[in-house]
Amino acid sequence: QVQLQESGPGLVKPSETLSLTCTVSGGSISSYYWSWIRQPPGKGLEWIGYIYYSGSTNYNPSLKSRVTISVDTSKNQFSLKLSSVTAADTAVYYCARVRWELRYWYFDLWGRGTLVTVSS
Amino acid sequence: SYELTQPPSVSVSPGQTARITCSGDALPKQYAYWYQQKPGQAPVLVIYKDSERPSGIPERFSGSSSGTTVTLTISGVQAEDEADYYCQSADSSGTYAVFGGGTQLTVL
Repeated sequence: QVQLQESGPGLVKPSETLSLTCTVSGGSISSYYWSWIRQPPGKGLEWIGYIYYSGSTNYNPSLKSRVTISVDTSKNQFSLKLSSVTAADTAVYYCARVRWELRYWYFDLWGRGTLVTVSS
Repeated sequence: SYELTQPPSVSVSPGQTARITCSGDALPKQYAYWYQQKPGQAPVLVIYKDSERPSGIPERFSGSSSGTTVTLTISGVQAEDEADYYCQSADSSGTYAVFGGGTQLTVL
């Protein structure tokens, strides 16, 4: 059974770069798309972007200038970097598997999420 | 930017039917997906492609679509269904994912 686990610092200083990793266990990262989604405390979900195992990416236009998603197939991991963070980036960050059916896509498997707080 | 609109809250008594709507201009072109999120937990997919139910999801969960509105219906609501529900779709080109603001379902 495939499982996703987020990891990374829980506290990041303003203006610095947030870095998180998602480890895929119980299955291969290959042949799938993988995504990051976040949720500020008490608020709704926001899609950040996705990456294919080959490395192609697609980002939310509202975050595109600050986001980089990368993949390491040898480690069965993909990662998120969000630069120049502010308090507004404080959120629970989820990694998720993207399911494609023809030209439609959605999130069929989620990690448990990790809280990242931006504060000095 | 594209938005999906959900009511902030819906309340029903146990055994009744709950209906949660989600509106968006691109919904006639794009499928909708529904996620259930209980406090402190990750979202779980309960409906995909407007009305399909993943394996393991109870039959009381169903979805429908009409024009620019999609609806999640929970028949015979149980106390365990109390959660936040989010709709998700894509912009008209299918390039970017968008979530609705979420609906808090309260079982009275």
